Amino acid sequence: GQNIDQPTEMTATEGAIVQINCTYQTSGFNGLFWYQQHAGEAPTFLSYNVLDGLEEKGRFSSFLSRSKGYSYLLLKELQMKDSASYLCAVGLNSGYALNFGKGTSLLVTP
Amino acid sequence: ETGVTQSPTHLIKTRGQQVTLRCSSQSGHNTVSWYQQALGQGPQFIFQYYREEENGRGNFPPRFSGLQFPNYSSELNVNALELDDSALYLCASSLVGGAKEQYFGPGTRLTVT
Repeated sequence: GQNIDQPTEMTATEGAIVQINCTYQTSGFNGLFWYQQHAGEAPTFLSYNVLDGLEEKGRFSSFLSRSKGYSYLLLKELQMKDSASYLCAVGLNSGYALNFGKGTSLLVTP
Repeated sequence: ETGVTQSPTHLIKTRGQQVTLRCSSQSGHNTVSWYQQALGQGPQFIFQYYREEENGRGNFPPRFSGLQFPNYSSELNVNALELDDSALYLCASSLVGGAKEQYFGPGTRLTVT
């Protein structure tokens, strides 16, 4: 089976940097994904890591350590529109079906 | 490029009834996955279809079943509805052999009373 843990809630200030951590225990691994989900909307893809290290994409970066079962999502220069739920997920199979964590609700304040 | 669409948007059913939810995958995608998302939770994987065959299943009972059609659209069927089946049902499409990300539809909100 798989177990994915991430903080339930976080609050940060506009313009700041925030790091959302995710730990996982899995019997199989096909990559670590991060998705963003605004209230009442579908999840949208942010990042994918399959090898150890940091992947950077604009204001968003994601890090993976497979030996530690650990990932983080780093959001820089926070904007109000970044207030959303951030979902950590492990790829399950060759089709990249996903096992999601419960999500971290991020509130960005002025 | 047409995105993932789902129908209906909202649905209210009574306990014990059966429901069919529909999903049209993004143009060019050959894989469809279904997820159940309860309020305040992350999506839970139900099953995935690739080329009309089931390609993985999560921890859901057999009363959750699905189909994929030759045009890669898909259906999720749930029999003998229970109150706990009330949730947002999300469909996601992807391309095996292509990019890794899945593209989600807007979901169907199912309420069982």
